Amino acid sequence: EAQVTQNPRYLITVTGKKLTVTCSQNMNHEYMSWYRQDPGLGLRQIYYSMNVEVTDKGDVPEGYKVSRKEKRNFPLILESPSPNQTSLYFCASSLGPQGTEAFFGQGTRLTVV
Amino acid sequence: GESVGLHLPTLSVQEGDNSIINCAYSNSASDYFIWYKQESGKGPQFIIDIRSNMDKRQGQRVTVLLNKTVKHLSLQIAATQPGDSAVYFCAEKWRTALIFGKGTTLSVSS
Repeated sequence: EAQVTQNPRYLITVTGKKLTVTCSQNMNHEYMSWYRQDPGLGLRQIYYSMNVEVTDKGDVPEGYKVSRKEKRNFPLILESPSPNQTSLYFCASSLGPQGTEAFFGQGTRLTVV
Repeated sequence: GESVGLHLPTLSVQEGDNSIINCAYSNSASDYFIWYKQESGKGPQFIIDIRSNMDKRQGQRVTVLLNKTVKHLSLQIAATQPGDSAVYFCAEKWRTALIFGKGTTLSVSS
C-alpha cells in the first residue's frame, strides 16, 4: 500500500530538548516536504527536498532542520524546540513538484511546553 | 505575498444537495491547482486537480472549475453525503511549493 509514515503521532516535549520527527515513503517519490498546520493559518511549507541531498527552505523554515540521505526518508529536526513550534506537522511526498498530487502522512501533533 | 484563499470558512448542506466550495487565488502564474480533503485526525487527501490549460475537470461526484480571468477555483460535490463532511483546501503549485488556502469546513446533515 502506498503510504507516507510519520512518527511519532503525538509528542509532548520541553523547551530546548532536541527532537526528530521521522517521515518515510514507499512510493520512490523524489519530492518530499514538511508542512505545519495551525488554526487560522492553514498549511505552510517548512522545508522541501527535490531529491537525495537536495533540500531547500519553504515559507517557515526558522527553527527547523531537515536531511535527505536516502530517497525514502526525510526527517524533520528541531534542535531547540520552543513553544511557538507547537503545531500539527505533516510530511508529504510526490513524484515531483510539477507532478501529480502529493501524498500526506497522518500527521504529528507536537506540543512544546 | 502570493496566497490562495477561500471565500467561506464554513458551509452547511443537507444530504443529497450539491455543494460548491470556492477558492480565490492571487498568483496568476500558477499553472496547477489541487483540491484536498482533510478529515478530522487525518492528513490531507487528494481529491482532484486541474492544470491552467483547462477550464473544467470531472471526477467521481466532483468537478473542479477554473476561471483564470478572475482567478477563481471551485469544487462542486454532487449529491453530498455525510462522509463528505471534512475541511476542504485548495492549493496552487507555485514554483516548487504547494500554497494552501485556509480551508472550508463542509458539514453535511442527514
